[in-house]
Amino acid sequence: AQTVTQSQPEMSVQEAETVTLSCTYDTSESNYYLFWYKQPPSRQMILVIRQEAYKQQNATENRFSVNFQKAAKSFSLKISDSQLGDTAMYFCAFIGGGTSYGKLTFGQGTILTVHP
Amino acid sequence: EAGVAQSPRYKIIEKRQSVAFWCNPISGHATLYWYQQILGQGPKLLIQFQNNGVVDDSQLPKDRFSAERLKGVDSTLKIQPAKLEDSAVYLCASSGPMGSYEQYFGPGTRLTVT
Repeated sequence: AQTVTQSQPEMSVQEAETVTLSCTYDTSESNYYLFWYKQPPSRQMILVIRQEAYKQQNATENRFSVNFQKAAKSFSLKISDSQLGDTAMYFCAFIGGGTSYGKLTFGQGTILTVHP
Repeated sequence: EAGVAQSPRYKIIEKRQSVAFWCNPISGHATLYWYQQILGQGPKLLIQFQNNGVVDDSQLPKDRFSAERLKGVDSTLKIQPAKLEDSAVYLCASSGPMGSYEQYFGPGTRLTVT
């Protein structure tokens, strides 16, 4: 069974600064996908960034980038130039390409607060 | 493109009552998911449909929860009878063709059982 662990229950950052959220996972599969989702108080789960395990290059989406360390099973999210609108709960999630196809396994989440 | 629609947004019921949630996925999305998110936790998959067939319902409490997707489009999740521990946000998500791993979520239904 896959597990996803987010060890930081809460993080805070000043506006315009950079923050990194941590995520580790455990799986025996070789083909899988990793995601970071953002959930603001409105509850809408929004996809921030995705990473395919077979790609060595780290994914980037504007101010968001990941540090994917496959051997260490680590998948951290870096948010640059933090904005007040980045305040939300962030979830790391995993989908396997094998028997767990389609099922997202989520971490416990990290509450990020951006201060003005 | 319209997103995933869910209703109602909020529901308050007493324990032992029944409740139903509705979800309409993104047009053309064959796969539909229901997740339960307890406050302060990550979502947990309850059931996954591929068209109108069930792919995974291993974590669905079948003694009280049921779900259907009769025409392969919209879906209903029912709880009967509800327990206090069913208080949670129920999220519906959909994804496109096979091999498309991105799931798109609806706004969720917040259920409070008193």
